[in-house]
Amino acid sequence: GAGVSQSPSNKVTEKGKDVELRCDPISGHTALYWYRQRLGQGLEFLIYFQGNSAPDKSGLPSDRFSAERTGESVSTLTIQRTQQEDSAVYLCASSLRANYGYTFGSGTRLTVV
Amino acid sequence: KNEVEQSPQNLTAQEGEFITINCSYSVGISALHWLQQHPGGGIVSLFMLSSGKKKHGRLIATINIQEKHSSLHITASHPRDSAVYICAVEGGKLIFGQGTELSVKP
Repeated sequence: GAGVSQSPSNKVTEKGKDVELRCDPISGHTALYWYRQRLGQGLEFLIYFQGNSAPDKSGLPSDRFSAERTGESVSTLTIQRTQQEDSAVYLCASSLRANYGYTFGSGTRLTVV
Repeated sequence: KNEVEQSPQNLTAQEGEFITINCSYSVGISALHWLQQHPGGGIVSLFMLSSGKKKHGRLIATINIQEKHSSLHITASHPRDSAVYICAVEGGKLIFGQGTELSVKP
């Protein structure tokens, strides 16, 4: 596609349910980041994929969070047993390779009620 | 100290005013981005800079690599410019500033 696509753009879920957020990077982009922004706060690093290397998961806040990416394809961020504190905008960005000019998705707004 | 610092954190302006938002960083970078986030949360990429200056409509972005500083200028500001403006740098990893919340009053 022409840009980084995230879906859904908005998601409202009940506390305790699992959610899956999707990021479609630009074709051929090997580097992919997930960030989140909780209300009134800055963007917080979650996870980084670079090609077939082991992902940098150091930003995942708890074991309820996981992310997958196969090769250079779609990435999914899964949050299990959602809590109200998980409410945030989740942002994906991809790049041809590290430090090569990132393209940003428009984000997914997650609201846990 | 954060690796990317933006100032001011909040800014209120009257319609028509010239606005400047600043971004200073402490790491070596290959590129700097300015992003715009509207109240609904959606993020739009405004500029990617590695040197010099770029202009798009009423928006101008400049970067001084030696001083590790970038500015985003908005000329003839309008209430629809009200948003959070975020600076992000690519320096080994992608690092975001805390954002500047701009409110333009009619």
